[in-house]
Amino acid sequence: SAVISQKPSRDICQRGTSLTIQCQVDSQVTMMFWYRQQPGQSLTLIATANQGSEATYESGFVIDKFPISRPNLTFSTLTVSNMSPEDSSIYLCSVLGQEGGYTFGSGTRLTVV
Amino acid sequence: KQEVTQIPAALSVPEGENLVLNCSFTDSAIYNLQWFRQDPGKGLTSLLLIQSSQREQTSGRLNASLDKSSGRSTLYIAASQPGDSATYLCAAPIDPEGTYKYIFGTGTRLKVLA
Repeated sequence: SAVISQKPSRDICQRGTSLTIQCQVDSQVTMMFWYRQQPGQSLTLIATANQGSEATYESGFVIDKFPISRPNLTFSTLTVSNMSPEDSSIYLCSVLGQEGGYTFGSGTRLTVV
Repeated sequence: KQEVTQIPAALSVPEGENLVLNCSFTDSAIYNLQWFRQDPGKGLTSLLLIQSSQREQTSGRLNASLDKSSGRSTLYIAASQPGDSATYLCAAPIDPEGTYKYIFGTGTRLKVLA
């Protein structure tokens, strides 16, 4: 299965600022996914990142708040913009394997103060 | 609409016990189901992926079963160890027609006492 390198692993940010999270995959993949996990909650899909086209956002998530880039088949970034304490969460990227199962990055633990 | 429920929400057991974690889903027409482990503040590690044609999968001390007719999957952990302490999540496809979107359960937080 694919190996995903995600960084940063954690960060503490001031409200009103932005943070960009990077994910690098060791093989070419068509779709990459970005999830958010709020404290004590399960995972919620933010968007699907496709190479060469705009990301597809889920209900409740907008591009202005969570812009995503996908410049090639092995790399994607998620930016959390104009952060507030409510954005404090773990952010995870993932890819879908050929057999249908997901592989996740190691996560970014974001705290907004 | 697919819903995934995990019971219990938390579990504490002494080292060496065999234990079972439960995952229920409402739409039985799934094509696979996946179990994950998550350590605090970290990403998810895939444990087992069960295809709809399979009834169970095994990896070391872990065994996962899938019963589509009853809408249930179980994760069996044999001879539990303190290193097994983590949150265990199951995930099933939102759309049994074959889209890539999964819905995750809220997890079972396991603590194995030395």
